[in-house]
Amino acid sequence: AQSVTQLDSQVPVFEEAPVELRCNYSSSVSVYLFWYVQYPNQGLQLLLKYLSGSTLVKGINGFEAEFNKSQTSFHLRKPSVHISDTAEYFCAATNDYKLSFGAGTTVTVRA
Amino acid sequence: DVKVTQSSRYLVKRTGEKVFLECVQDMDHENMFWYRQDPGLGLRLIYFSYDVKMKEKGDIPEGYSVSREKKERFSLILESASTNQTSMYLCASSPRQGRYTEAFFGQGTRLTVV
Repeated sequence: AQSVTQLDSQVPVFEEAPVELRCNYSSSVSVYLFWYVQYPNQGLQLLLKYLSGSTLVKGINGFEAEFNKSQTSFHLRKPSVHISDTAEYFCAATNDYKLSFGAGTTVTVRA
Repeated sequence: DVKVTQSSRYLVKRTGEKVFLECVQDMDHENMFWYRQDPGLGLRLIYFSYDVKMKEKGDIPEGYSVSREKKERFSLILESASTNQTSMYLCASSPRQGRYTEAFFGQGTRLTVV
């Protein structure tokens, strides 16, 4: 099974500033990678996914992530955040169909 | 759109009660999962099922059981609820391996055991 590490538990950021959330996974062949977002009192919503192909993946709400096989990383970025991006973000990985999740990163956007 | 529906958003149960959490998906997915979410721990897999009547233990199955009598429905059972089972429970479904795309999640059930 995959092991996923999210390197930051909390990330405070000012509105319109860029943000990067870091994620590392355990090395494996044929890994699928995901970022999910959870708004307060809601379930998980998929932001983006890497299944194969281009290492730069674009998702919803202006987010993107880059798959780096040599560094076993899948960092999430957004060039300019909004107040509405305040949420918890989860990185997940699988090489079969059982997802392994990181501990989550809470992003708090301040005006 | 895929829809995964959990029967309750909030539940309060007493210690020792038998608790049923129900989950239904409408996309004919083979795989279904129950996760538990706790602050600082992320999501941890309790049980999953890859077919009707088939189940496998996840990472934290102790104190839980599951039932999958129909493809669309996956139930999590707390045989005798305890206060350390107070948590957010998330159900998910996905297509089988080989045509895997992503997992789809329900809205979650916040269970409080008193």
